[in-house]
Amino acid sequence: NAGVTQTPKFQVLKTGQSMTLQCAQDMNHEYMSWYRQDPGMGLRLIHYSVGAGITDQGEVPNGYNVSRSTTEDFPLRLLSAAPSQTSVYFCASSPHQGGTEAFFGQGTRLTVV
Amino acid sequence: GNSVTQMEGPVTLSEEAFLTINCTYTATGYPSLFWYVQYPGEGLQLLLKATKADDKGSNKGFEATYRKETTSFHLEKGSVQVSDSAVYFCALEVFNKFYFGSGTKLNVKP
Repeated sequence: NAGVTQTPKFQVLKTGQSMTLQCAQDMNHEYMSWYRQDPGMGLRLIHYSVGAGITDQGEVPNGYNVSRSTTEDFPLRLLSAAPSQTSVYFCASSPHQGGTEAFFGQGTRLTVV
Repeated sequence: GNSVTQMEGPVTLSEEAFLTINCTYTATGYPSLFWYVQYPGEGLQLLLKATKADDKGSNKGFEATYRKETTSFHLEKGSVQVSDSAVYFCALEVFNKFYFGSGTKLNVKP
């Protein structure tokens, strides 16, 4: 059982480049989300989705786009990378039911130079 | 709004020492509370959870009790091991949205 799979694990971008971070889950979870983890700040919610075709902004959405065309996949797009987007990105999924745990991917370490 | 405050680290303990990591929260509605653990280079793993007031979550010798009156969910372990060295995150969940504390790094020395 793979759980939540993120690719790539590491990425270096130049300022202004674009890229997509991939996230896939095989647990048939309705709810998926993207977080960024920065030193001393915990995890902050970027975007989330409550099901295919439905997405919404989290706490720090600027500079990121998402779409949810299938239940399994929830890619995160950086349209024009900036050094401030250097971070570790985590994708998570959970059933659409309060009180249940979120399952996290292994993370993508992104450096923008 | 929703937020979590947890004690800053790093916390350095000797093996078999008692551990407490403080966590307090503010929330709208009725949150569920979680502790997650992150080992180096890995994602977050659920350690324990509690979904209503006075519930006690426990796992691997760790415990935390959901205290609504003090809006707290402190993590405790009676005897830590070197293998417990990791970063610990307190989190609350409301309508599937998670709000995390800043994390507390625990170092356990032999």
